[in-house]
Amino acid sequence: DIQMTQSPSTLSASVGDRVTITCRASQSISTWLAWYQQKPGKAPKLLIYRASTLESEVPSRFSGSGSGTEFTLTISSLQPDDFATYYCQQYDNYLITFGQGTRLEIK
Amino acid sequence: EVQLVESGGGLVKPGGSLRLSCATSGFTFDSYRMNWVRQAPGKGLEWVSSISSSSIYIYYADSVKGRFTISRDNAKRSLYLQMYSLRAEDTAVYYCARDSTVVAGENCFDPWGQGTLVTVSS
Repeated sequence: DIQMTQSPSTLSASVGDRVTITCRASQSISTWLAWYQQKPGKAPKLLIYRASTLESEVPSRFSGSGSGTEFTLTISSLQPDDFATYYCQQYDNYLITFGQGTRLEIK
Repeated sequence: EVQLVESGGGLVKPGGSLRLSCATSGFTFDSYRMNWVRQAPGKGLEWVSSISSSSIYIYYADSVKGRFTISRDNAKRSLYLQMYSLRAEDTAVYYCARDSTVVAGENCFDPWGQGTLVTVSS
């Protein structure tokens, strides 16, 4: 199975900050990577797919980059609604795996 | 509006069985691959199983292979997960999720249902 490792596990930041979350794959997955946002008690929401394509209606302050084994999710200017947990997901093969999550909390 | 509504969760004893359902509306169900993803309390997301639009291709996580069976009824626009030999570690919220597009290989998930809680305990 392809292992996905996110860092950091927890990130403390303030409104207006620029933040970056990293996701590393145990082997190359090309750009078959998605990012999700999950708030407590809610289902995850797709933000980005194919590593860098923004899902419709997702604010442009979110961006994704990377290919192969290293990927990043960047939020250019944090808004109050962005404090949540973020997951990466690889879909390079049929054995889909998620990262362990990054909790973004208010400093 | 696209909707996915799971049902069938509950409390079951170790070794028991349970069948989850996911009723859908608002999209052409028989065009999309469908999936189950679970989340243990306070933990991350774990992919469980996927089924192609015509049920030809079915995949399972190693953790459930041989114990869980995914199926779908395109006429009823519904997805199912039959779970056998349940263990304490199967305790989780189980989400039904649709592939985001009908494009082959684009196996990321959107939208998701609200989830149904399965608790395995004696």
